[in-house]
Order: sequence, then C-alpha cells, then structure tokens
Amino acid sequence: GAGVSQSPSNKVTEKGKDVELRCDPISGHTALYWYRQSLGQGLEFLIYFQGNSAPDKSGLPSDRFSAERTGGSVSTLTIQRTQQEDSAVYLCASSLDSGTGNGYTFGSGTRLTVV
Amino acid sequence: QQQVKQSPQSLIVQKGGISIINCAYENTAFDYFPWYQQFPGKGPALLIAIRPDVSEKKEGRFTISFNKSAKQFSLHIMDSQPGDSATYFCAASTMIRGSTLGRLYFGRGTQLTVWP
Repeated sequence: GAGVSQSPSNKVTEKGKDVELRCDPISGHTALYWYRQSLGQGLEFLIYFQGNSAPDKSGLPSDRFSAERTGGSVSTLTIQRTQQEDSAVYLCASSLDSGTGNGYTFGSGTRLTVV
Repeated sequence: QQQVKQSPQSLIVQKGGISIINCAYENTAFDYFPWYQQFPGKGPALLIAIRPDVSEKKEGRFTISFNKSAKQFSLHIMDSQPGDSATYFCAASTMIRGSTLGRLYFGRGTQLTVWP
C-alpha cells in the first residue's frame, strides 16, 4: 500500500483481556518498528524487526508484551492480561533497508484504552 | 536514560516569527539526526534530517543546525505559520553498515503553537 496501515484505529478493552494490534508496513520495507506514545509523552521504543535478523526486543516493558512479523511483512503486537497503564497510542513504522532519504514512515497508530 | 534531550517542552510563537527547538545527545556513535512533525491523531512524519558531515541543512522554511563538537542540533522554522502548529520530535540513530537505518531514539517532543 501507499502508507503504513494499522488496525484497529481504536481499541477499548477490559483490564485483564488480551489484545492484538496489527501493522501492515509499506511494501518492500524490510525494517519494522513498534513504538508507544502515552499522553503528552515522547515515543517509547518497543521492538524492531530488520529483515531476517533476530528482532531487537529490548524495549518491551514486560513479558506480557510480544510481537511477531510473519513473512517479513505484516506484524502483530500482542499484549496479554492488559493493565490500565498499557493505555497509549501504539505506533508502527517501517523503513527501507538502505538509505535514509525517507527515514521511518509511521502509521496513524492504534489508540488503546484499558478500562 | 534519555538518549536525546529536547527543549523547550512547549513553545508559543507569533505568526511570521522564528521557532527554535533544541536537542542534545551523548552517544557519539549517532550519525543520523531527523526531525519529525506530528499533528493530533496522526503518526509522526519525517520533516527534515541531517548527517554529521554537514553543519546545516535547509529545506524551505525549515533548517537544521548541527554542532558536532557540542553534540547539539536544532530546528529553526522561519516565518512560522499557524499551520506549523504541531508537536515536533528530534531523534538520533546509528546507521548500520553505513546504509541501514537503525533504531531511532526520540526526544520528548515540543508542542509548538503559532498564533495568527
């Protein structure tokens, strides 16, 4: 597609439920990133996939968070047993393997609200 | 530990004025410094970026000034317009093998308001 697509755009869930957030990167982009943005805060790094390399999971805040990228394309971020502090906008971005001309391209994010 | 420190947190500028946002970093391995612009309800969008081999880069009304020895870089918005009202993030990264963009470390953002 023309841009990074994220779904759903909004998600309200009850505390303790599991949620899955989806990201469709730009076709041909080999790198994919997940960031989290809390209200009024900056962008908190979660996880980074680069081609066939092992993902950099160093930003995942707890073992309730996991992500996978299937076939080098679509990625799913899963949050198990959601907590109220997980409420945030989850942003996905993708980039080309080479060159910095376009940097990251971000999706519009999924706004997650845990009630 | 905040890898990139950004200031001010908020900025109010009159239309036609100059907006200046500053960032500082510690990791001398960083060699790519982009600025992102974010409007409410949207993801950040790349505005302009610089590599450390130049001290300044200009694109239209937007200029990045880079001071390698001080480990600082700044965004200047000339002739600021109400449409520039947004949140601006600086970031830094290390290029992998000189060509692959690695993880970006972001500043906390600056909320810019331009009054008409």
